[in-house]
Amino acid sequence: DIQMTQSPSSLSASVGDRVTITCQASQEIGTSLNWYQQKPGKAPKVVIHDASYLETGVPSRFAGSGSGTYFTFTISNLQSEDIATYYCQQYNDFHLLSFGGGTKLEI
Amino acid sequence: QVQLHESGPGLLRPSETLSLTCAVSGSSISSDYYWAWIRQPPGKGLEWIGHVYSPGPAFYNPSLWHRAILSVDSSKNQFSLNLTSVTAADTAVYYCARLRDSDQGLFDFWGQGTLVTVSS
Repeated sequence: DIQMTQSPSSLSASVGDRVTITCQASQEIGTSLNWYQQKPGKAPKVVIHDASYLETGVPSRFAGSGSGTYFTFTISNLQSEDIATYYCQQYNDFHLLSFGGGTKLEI
Repeated sequence: QVQLHESGPGLLRPSETLSLTCAVSGSSISSDYYWAWIRQPPGKGLEWIGHVYSPGPAFYNPSLWHRAILSVDSSKNQFSLNLTSVTAADTAVYYCARLRDSDQGLFDFWGQGTLVTVSS
């Protein structure tokens, strides 16, 4: 199984800040990584796919980077509507998908 | 627009079988997508349960100890999850989702989720 370790598990920031979340895979996964945003009481929504590609309609203040085992997710100029929990998800092993533990972002 | 909608019982007793159905509209269940179940225990993170392709095999999270079975009903454009021998640890919001192929591995459309509680 590929284990995905996210950090931090929670993060407090202010409007206008730049925040960074990391996700580490237990083995090489290339760029087979997606990032999701989940707001309270809602289903997750994809933000970044293939490690660094912004999903259609997502604001450009969101960005992803990385490959292999180490990935970062960054929000520049944090807005109040960005309050959510963020999850990484690997698909390198397509028959055994897995998510990171999540990062709860608070303002 | 693609829409998914979960349905099933909200309350189960321990040892019973959980049966959930996901009705799909706006996308043929026999098209080039996979169909998945993900769950989220209260206050916790996301857990992939499994996904299935129609026609084709299903893939499961081994942590479920072979208790899960996914199936597809093409005539009704829906797919289902059966989870046997439930315990309190299976209490969660259950989501169904559309999964793109192995080149993207992305859950692009989700249902709104349904809360299943296991309690005696």
